Amino acid sequence: EAGVAQSPRYKIIEKRQSVAFWCNPISGHATLYWYQQILGQGPKLLIQFQNNGVVDDSQLPKDRFSAERLKGVDSTLKIQPAKLEDSAVYLCASRPVRQSSYGYTFGSGTRLTVV
Amino acid sequence: QQQVKQSPQSLIVQKGGISIINCAYENTAFDYFPWYQQFPGKGPALLIAIRPDVSEKKEGRFTISFNKSAKQFSLHIMDSQPGDSATYFCALESNTGKLIFGQGTTLQVKP
Repeated sequence: EAGVAQSPRYKIIEKRQSVAFWCNPISGHATLYWYQQILGQGPKLLIQFQNNGVVDDSQLPKDRFSAERLKGVDSTLKIQPAKLEDSAVYLCASRPVRQSSYGYTFGSGTRLTVV
Repeated sequence: QQQVKQSPQSLIVQKGGISIINCAYENTAFDYFPWYQQFPGKGPALLIAIRPDVSEKKEGRFTISFNKSAKQFSLHIMDSQPGDSATYFCALESNTGKLIFGQGTTLQVKP
C-alpha cells in the first residue's frame, strides 16, 4: 500500500511571499488532515476534511492560510502572505472514514523555512 | 491551552534497558490514547494505542499502561535498542480522529 505523498519536501521563501503544499492521501481514505509541527513541538491540527468537506478548521489562521480538497482526493494547503513564525513542517495525514488509531498514516511532510 | 503534558523531555537509556515515558491529560472526552514514534525527516508513525476502558496493552516490546482515574498513561519500551532512538509523542484522539499531541520525548538508546 502506497503511503501519503507530499510535495515539495523543502521550501524556502521570504516573508510576505505565498507558498502551497500538496498532499495525496492513501487511496480510499476519506478523511484527510493537515498538521503544523514547529521545531521541538508536537504536531498541531490545522484542518480536517471528510471527503471534500471541512470537518474542523478551528485552529487554521484563516487570514493567511487556506486549504481545499477537490474531488475528495488530493489536497492543497496555501499560506499567503507567509510570516516568520510559519516556519515549520507541514504534515498531511489520512485515514478511512471511521477507524481506530490504527488507520492513521502521516506523510513525511514539507519543511517550510520563512526568511 | 495545553491538554496533555508529557515527560521527560529527553531520555537516555542503555541498550537492553527499559524506557518509560509519561503523559498526563486534562479532558476525558477522547476515544483513544496513542503513542507515535518519529524519526528525523519523517512523519509520526503510530506505535501503539489504547482505549480508555483498558488498563494495559502490550505489543511486542511496547506496553501502554493507562490509569483513567489519575488521567495518566505511559509507554514502556522493554529491552530498548539503538534503533528505538527517536522522538516519541503521546496523543489524545477524539471521535473525529483529531489528535492532540504532547510535547515529545527524545529517546537515545546507547549501545
